[in-house]
Amino acid sequence: GENVEQHPSTLSVQEGDSAVIKCTYSDSASNYFPWYKQELGKRPQLIIDIRSNVGEKKDQRIAVTLNKTAKHFSLHITETQPEDSAVYFCAALFNTNAGKSTFGDGTTLTVKP
Amino acid sequence: DAGVIQSPRHEVTEMGQEVTLRCKPISGHNSLFWYRQTMMRGLELLIYFNNNVPIDDSGMPEDRFSAKMPNASFSTLKIQPSEPRDSAVYFCASLTDTAQETQYFGPGTRLLVL
Repeated sequence: GENVEQHPSTLSVQEGDSAVIKCTYSDSASNYFPWYKQELGKRPQLIIDIRSNVGEKKDQRIAVTLNKTAKHFSLHITETQPEDSAVYFCAALFNTNAGKSTFGDGTTLTVKP
Repeated sequence: DAGVIQSPRHEVTEMGQEVTLRCKPISGHNSLFWYRQTMMRGLELLIYFNNNVPIDDSGMPEDRFSAKMPNASFSTLKIQPSEPRDSAVYFCASLTDTAQETQYFGPGTRLLVL
């Protein structure tokens, strides 16, 4: 089955700096890669996603890149703000598998004011 | 739409008691997932259903756990008997597998077994 590895497990940055979280996946058939943000005590919520036919996607301060050959994808947050502090999860899935995602172990991002 | 609905939001029970967690997926979604989240083990997929049929229950920790989905709008996760190590946040999520693959999570049930 699919295996997703996520790094780093914790990340601390100064407000205004950029943050990068990286994930690798094992199943070359995976074709959809969402990123979720989970604030303390809340549910995971989708913040951005990318499909395998696209190399990069951007939404304001967040962007995701995908390298299908190397089987890795990354989340980039620019101009970080304290409210970006949360746990971020990457996931990978093959869209004919009834939507089953394999999640990374999460990255705890702390943005220091 | 109200989103995925879970009940109860919090549950405190004593070891040995039966616990039933409930989930109502988003209307029209045909896949439903049960997850458990702890600090030690992170987010674990327990079981998922597609069109009310269990597809993969390999994540269910042991026979004390069971899940059902009697219809498209309701699912239960039952723990009998409960143990302190079952203490966790249990999330239900749903999606429509024929379109977007985004999973929408419910608010979770925070379970504490004493």
